Amino acid sequence: NAGVTQTPKFRILKIGQSMTLQCAQDMNHNYMYWYRQDPGMGLKLIYYSVGAGITDKGEVPNGYNVSRSTTEDFPLRLELAAPSQTSVYFCASSSPIGRAKNIQYFGAGTRLSVL
Amino acid sequence: AQKITQTQPGMFVQEKEAVTLDCTYDTSDQSYGLFWYKQPSSGEMIFLIYQGSYDEQNATEGRYSLNFQKARKSANLVISASQLGDSAMYFCALSAFSGGYNKLIFGAGTRLAVHP
Repeated sequence: NAGVTQTPKFRILKIGQSMTLQCAQDMNHNYMYWYRQDPGMGLKLIYYSVGAGITDKGEVPNGYNVSRSTTEDFPLRLELAAPSQTSVYFCASSSPIGRAKNIQYFGAGTRLSVL
Repeated sequence: AQKITQTQPGMFVQEKEAVTLDCTYDTSDQSYGLFWYKQPSSGEMIFLIYQGSYDEQNATEGRYSLNFQKARKSANLVISASQLGDSAMYFCALSAFSGGYNKLIFGAGTRLAVHP
């Protein structure tokens, strides 16, 4: 049971570099999410998608871009990496039931350092 | 606006004892959900338990139970018979339905240490 798969697990970037964090899910969930978790903090929503071709900004979208061309994949693009983007990035997916039951399943995370 | 508050940055408990992790919330939605996740030192986020606002009984999942007090807007997690493997960060989350889409809002977390 793969669930939500994130790659890479770790990455070090230099300031100004770009990279794409990959996320794939095999549960046929319509919703997918990207969060960041700074040290000792909770999760902040970066972007989310409610289906292929539909994405929207979360709480902290600046410096990131997403696309969703398939149900399974939801890559997160970092352009011109900055030290403030040093964080752990989590991808999650869900198929909400009604307005309340939105159980999200998470990938293992990507630990990113920008130096 | 929706908000989740976890006021205990850290808690400790003796092995085999029960422990309660606090969570309060604020929402204007009539239908909402409350969730608890566990994050061990390995880093992954593990879903533990869910409570719907209209559920009449408190949710239970094995050693985990959610003490839901709607009037007080609290959704505390109770772990019975603590084990060393319960040492982790625990996050409370609230469903948020805005712009026609479902999201979760997470609290800052509580770090639980289980002592032998």
